[in-house]
Amino acid sequence: GENVEQHPSTLSVQEGDSAVIKCTYSDSASNYFPWYKQELGKRPQLIIDIRSNVGEKKDQRIAVTLNKTAKHFSLHITETQPEDSAVYFCAASKGGTSGTYKYIFGTGTRLKVLA
Amino acid sequence: DAGVIQSPRHEVTEMGQEVTLRCKPISGHNSLFWYRQTMMRGLELLIYFNNNVPIDDSGMPEDRFSAKMPNASFSTLKIQPSEPRDSAVYFCASRMGLAGSGELFFGEGSRLTVL
Repeated sequence: GENVEQHPSTLSVQEGDSAVIKCTYSDSASNYFPWYKQELGKRPQLIIDIRSNVGEKKDQRIAVTLNKTAKHFSLHITETQPEDSAVYFCAASKGGTSGTYKYIFGTGTRLKVLA
Repeated sequence: DAGVIQSPRHEVTEMGQEVTLRCKPISGHNSLFWYRQTMMRGLELLIYFNNNVPIDDSGMPEDRFSAKMPNASFSTLKIQPSEPRDSAVYFCASRMGLAGSGELFFGEGSRLTVL
């Protein structure tokens, strides 16, 4: 079945440095790749997403890149701040019958930004 | 809209007891997802519905788990009988469907502890 692998599982960076989280997916039909941020004790929330017809997308300090050939995508956070500390999940999804979408998540990356 | 509403927020029960988790999706959303979150396995998709119809329940761990969506505004996830290994946070999420952005909106989660 579909599988999404995410690395690293934990990541510590100094404030102001960049952080990169990588994911690979198994289903070549996947066409939508969102990233969710989950703060401690809270619900996951979407921070950025990318569709398969685009190679890169940016939103202020965060960006996502997609390599369809290699079936991997990455989250880049620049100028990290303490409030970026959280667990980040990648996901892969594809359209199914009746317009349904099945979202498979990676196992998460716990990011710590050290002040 | 109040967002996706889940109840109970916390449940502590003894092994062998029946557990029922409830979810009210965002009004107008036609896809509903149940996820289980643990430290070891991250966010696991259990089952999802489209227009109240179960589309894929391949993630349901075993026959002890069942889910229903009797109407567009309510879903339940039932575990009977419960076991200690079922202890986790269970998230419900909803999505608007093809007309929407693709974003999954999560509830606050139901933290289940089975003693």
